Amino acid sequence: SQELEQSPQSLIVQEGKNLTINCTSSKTLYGLYWYKQKYGEGLIFLMMLQKGGEEKSHEKITAKLDEKKQQSSLHITASQPSHAGIYLCGAHAGGSNYKLTFGKGTLLTVNP
Amino acid sequence: NAGVTQTPKFQVLKTGQSMTLQCAQDMNHEYMSWYRQDPGMGLRLIHYSVGAGITDQGEVPNGYNVSRSTTEDFPLRLLSAAPSQTSVYFCASRPQRGVMNTEAFFGQGTRLTVV
Repeated sequence: SQELEQSPQSLIVQEGKNLTINCTSSKTLYGLYWYKQKYGEGLIFLMMLQKGGEEKSHEKITAKLDEKKQQSSLHITASQPSHAGIYLCGAHAGGSNYKLTFGKGTLLTVNP
Repeated sequence: NAGVTQTPKFQVLKTGQSMTLQCAQDMNHEYMSWYRQDPGMGLRLIHYSVGAGITDQGEVPNGYNVSRSTTEDFPLRLLSAAPSQTSVYFCASRPQRGVMNTEAFFGQGTRLTVV
């Protein structure tokens, strides 16, 4: 089965600092999703990457997909307390259209 | 548009009790799934459905049953609750099968405690 490993597991940054979260797959990626979760709430869709080399940005969050490395990175520029939460990457398991598997998440704390 | 609605939001059960977690979506999505989220374990797929009348097991199906009689509803049943089923449960739906890359929409979760 496909496994997604996220690093780091947790991250504490000072407001205004940049940060990067990585997601590495054990198998070929057929699309990669990034979600954000605040404590006690559901998952909010951030971005979806479909092709190797693809890069997407939304406000101060940028995600890239390196298909050859089977890896994606999520970069936050000038972090704010509102960025705090758990970031999860997800991908289709073994190319299956139906099964989405997720990494264990990265807990981000942004100190004001 | 309500999206994906889960009920209840919180539940405490005694060991051996049964209950059903409800999930409904109003987006006419074909694909629905249930996940559980535990500390250090991430989201794990319990069961999923690719359409009314069709269900299949995910990664951790033991102790759970599902059915899909309508497109809108996908209830998760615990027949005999165990403390190991204490978790946060999420229901998700996606627009259609046959389309590889479409985002999944998640409910707000059900926090279940089994004592």
